Amino acid sequence: DTEVTQTPKHLVMGMTNKKSLKCEQHMGHRAMYWYKQKAKKPPELMFVYSYEKLSINESVPSRFSPECPNSSLLNLHLHALQPEDSALYLCASSQVVSVLNTEAFFGQGTRLTVV
Amino acid sequence: QKEVEQDPGPLSVPEGAIVSLNCTYSNSAFQYFMWYRQYSRKGPELLMYTYSSGNKEDGRFTAQVDKSSKYISLFIRDSQPSDSATYLCAMSVDQTGANNLFFGTGTRLTVIP
Repeated sequence: DTEVTQTPKHLVMGMTNKKSLKCEQHMGHRAMYWYKQKAKKPPELMFVYSYEKLSINESVPSRFSPECPNSSLLNLHLHALQPEDSALYLCASSQVVSVLNTEAFFGQGTRLTVV
Repeated sequence: QKEVEQDPGPLSVPEGAIVSLNCTYSNSAFQYFMWYRQYSRKGPELLMYTYSSGNKEDGRFTAQVDKSSKYISLFIRDSQPSDSATYLCAMSVDQTGANNLFFGTGTRLTVIP
């Protein structure tokens, strides 16, 4: 299994809703990432988990709350989002935290629309 | 000035053509240079990486880095319709932290059969 699986693929939520994005991998990777990608823009790193501990948080607003319940799962909890948070949210994993890891895999993303 | 500049295209070429994709950068501390390919509605996948200056070849793909000019290139030989995607360059000072990864805006490539 060489996949990073993200659910749901599409999500529409209101500004008062609470929702969660899920990411799962079974490759034994110990580093997992959340990225945000707006249309025609490059991915922007949000969070990095290494060995289930948050190691990097790129000053993301508190309305985004990551959670890593175990080494295979990474969640992103969403609350009180704004329309400008509409984007493609990408999860990725790699064996270690390294940008050179050619074994790094990205999921297909969750396309989020905030109305 | 952005850390990494990349022409967003779009770029359309006939099948079999040689494609040249380029990025420039401003931070002379960058040491690692990556190229990602992203198909529509998919996550990016790492194609190749190069450390410091020089060339690297992998099949139909060649990555070049010229640190003196702060310029990197990706060449695709014998381009195929399946190469149609957005190509993102990315750069890093070191390999220890994804927070040091700076992406270009991506170039959208279409290879016409």
